[in-house]
Amino acid sequence: QVTLRESGPALVKPTQTLTLTCTFSGFSLSAFGMCVTWIRQPPGKAPEWLARIDWDDDKFYTSSLKTRLTISKDTSKNQVALTMTNMDPVDTGTYYCARIRMVAGTQLFDFWGQGILVTVSS
Amino acid sequence: DIQMTQSPSSLSASVGDRVTITCQASQDIVNYLNWYQQKPGKAPKLLIYDASNLETGVPLRFSGSGSGTHFTFTISSLQPEDFATYYCQHYDNLPPLCTFGQGTKVDVK
Repeated sequence: QVTLRESGPALVKPTQTLTLTCTFSGFSLSAFGMCVTWIRQPPGKAPEWLARIDWDDDKFYTSSLKTRLTISKDTSKNQVALTMTNMDPVDTGTYYCARIRMVAGTQLFDFWGQGILVTVSS
Repeated sequence: DIQMTQSPSSLSASVGDRVTITCQASQDIVNYLNWYQQKPGKAPKLLIYDASNLETGVPLRFSGSGSGTHFTFTISSLQPEDFATYYCQHYDNLPPLCTFGQGTKVDVK
């Protein structure tokens, strides 16, 4: 049974750095074709893809936020972390981690965490 | 950057209705398109992958079609549990990226 759960602060101040952790079970991020991604969703808006880390430790970021994001994994703990620097109120939203299963080029975003609401406010 | 234009942004329907949502890509994306359902306070749920393939466990009343720049998502007979927001999502591998449409909220007529 695949599960993912996000954890981190619910409230951060402007200019602070946000660190979120995704703790997962039911699969190995060392297995070929497995990836974990972070996606956020501002209140009432569409989801926005942020970053992805692959089984081979390749890392990818959305171009608009690339300078502010870092994704990393700890395979032994089944965790993926995302840091976002210089937080701003426009970064308020629900942050999700999700598993991507790569099958012959197809990306299946098949399991998602419940999400964590992060509010940026002084 | 590839833009995904989803329409309509909202629609009202009744149980039993056929519902159709479209997603237009700003350039050819082959079939690299997924469809999701999202209910309030919940994460998106994958329904359709690669434009027309039904994810395991998803009811047969959901379907998708299209390729290139024009894609369609259909619910053949709307059920009470289908009132939700639906998103299309383009993904690519070279370079890896992911873009969601603006969403379509399906509510009760």
